[in-house]
Amino acid sequence: GDSVTQTEGQVTVSESKSLIINCTYSTTSIAYPNLFWYVRYPGEGLQLLLKVITAGQKGSSRGFEATYNKETTSFHLQKASVQESDSAVYYCALAHDTNAYKVIFGKGTHLHVLP
Amino acid sequence: DMKVTQMPRYLIKRMGENVLLECGQDMSHETMYWYRQDPGLGLQLIYISYDVDSNSEGDIPKGYRVSRKKREHFSLILDSAKTNQTSVYFCASSAGTGAERLFFGHGTKLSVL
Repeated sequence: GDSVTQTEGQVTVSESKSLIINCTYSTTSIAYPNLFWYVRYPGEGLQLLLKVITAGQKGSSRGFEATYNKETTSFHLQKASVQESDSAVYYCALAHDTNAYKVIFGKGTHLHVLP
Repeated sequence: DMKVTQMPRYLIKRMGENVLLECGQDMSHETMYWYRQDPGLGLQLIYISYDVDSNSEGDIPKGYRVSRKKREHFSLILDSAKTNQTSVYFCASSAGTGAERLFFGHGTKLSVL
């Protein structure tokens, strides 16, 4: 079946430093999946951060970027300069248009930004 | 207002008790979901509801059942709760499918003692 693997556990970064959270996916489908990053801020539910449905394209939101790389089956999340308010749990996810009700999530990466 | 509301936020129950988790959404979304998340694991899909009285098992339905009598409301029921059902439960909704976008509630932290 499909799976998503992302940087595990907690990542600690000082404010204004750069960030990368790794995400790779595996799929048994011949079709390319839609890829997502969701974020859960403290005390809130998960919310969509960005989404890319076409291989080779880049998505961006709130200063974060992720590029859909079908060759390496990766969708890493990057930010050039993090802020303390970015502290949250980040989830990489995939879904296929052919079985679109089934969204596969990674385990989540807890980002802690030091002031 | 684009909101998914879960009640309660925190719940403590004893093993063998029945548990009702409730979820509402104000977006008239057809599709609703129940997930659980345990430490070190991703979100696991329990049930999907495609619309009123149209529900389907997800990956881990054992020990759970659901009810959807109104489009805006989706309940998760644990009959005779077990300690291994201690978890954080998330409800979500989508206008079409998850391949578009999911809207999540804040979650319910359930402890079964």
